[in-house]
Amino acid sequence: DTAVSQTPKYLVTQMGNDKSIKCEQNLGHDTMYWYKQDSKKFLKIMFSYNNKELIINETVPNRFSPKSPDKAHLNLHINSLELGDSAVYFCASSHQGPGNTIYFGEGSWLTVV
Amino acid sequence: SQQGEEDPQALSIQEGENATMNCSYKTSINNLQWYRQNSGRGLVHLILIRSNEREKHSGRLRVTLDTSKKSSSLLITASRAADTASYFCATDAGANSKLTFGKGITLSVRP
Repeated sequence: DTAVSQTPKYLVTQMGNDKSIKCEQNLGHDTMYWYKQDSKKFLKIMFSYNNKELIINETVPNRFSPKSPDKAHLNLHINSLELGDSAVYFCASSHQGPGNTIYFGEGSWLTVV
Repeated sequence: SQQGEEDPQALSIQEGENATMNCSYKTSINNLQWYRQNSGRGLVHLILIRSNEREKHSGRLRVTLDTSKKSSSLLITASRAADTASYFCATDAGANSKLTFGKGITLSVRP
């Protein structure tokens, strides 16, 4: 029944490692997103894909690379993790176009030590 | 850059009281949305108000929008302890469904 599911929920890793977060939605949406929420709860969009095509790419380091194998999946790979990457990463999805509700996953808590 | 700014940053009220949260933004928008985030969870959509609407209701929620002042308010009536959460306003200003979120308001409802 889960609409937007992302794994893992918790991830603790060392600086310099490479890690991936996976996301899947079963809502039939054509647009998917990655958001980052920092320790002060500030939520900022990182990427947006529509039908597997990148449509929003905010100022995010090249170490972050999203991949969308199909419109139901949007994974986030992070290379050479840094301490500042510690945050909660939320996957989300919606139908395309303004005014559509965005459905969020439960978040992936990434801690870089 | 950040679009929405909510105030107050934190609000503590007694169960049964009303909670009013405000959001201001900087640019023209298509619509404004409010989301709730319970501790340790994802965001849940509460209500959307379009730029040509002034007020909208959904259950115990009432949202107003004043585009001339670039501000919105969310009123939760007859609050319950279960309303304890962070509340975010988000503005949709472009064609790519890009939502820009404010910093959020932490609401605590004391039983």
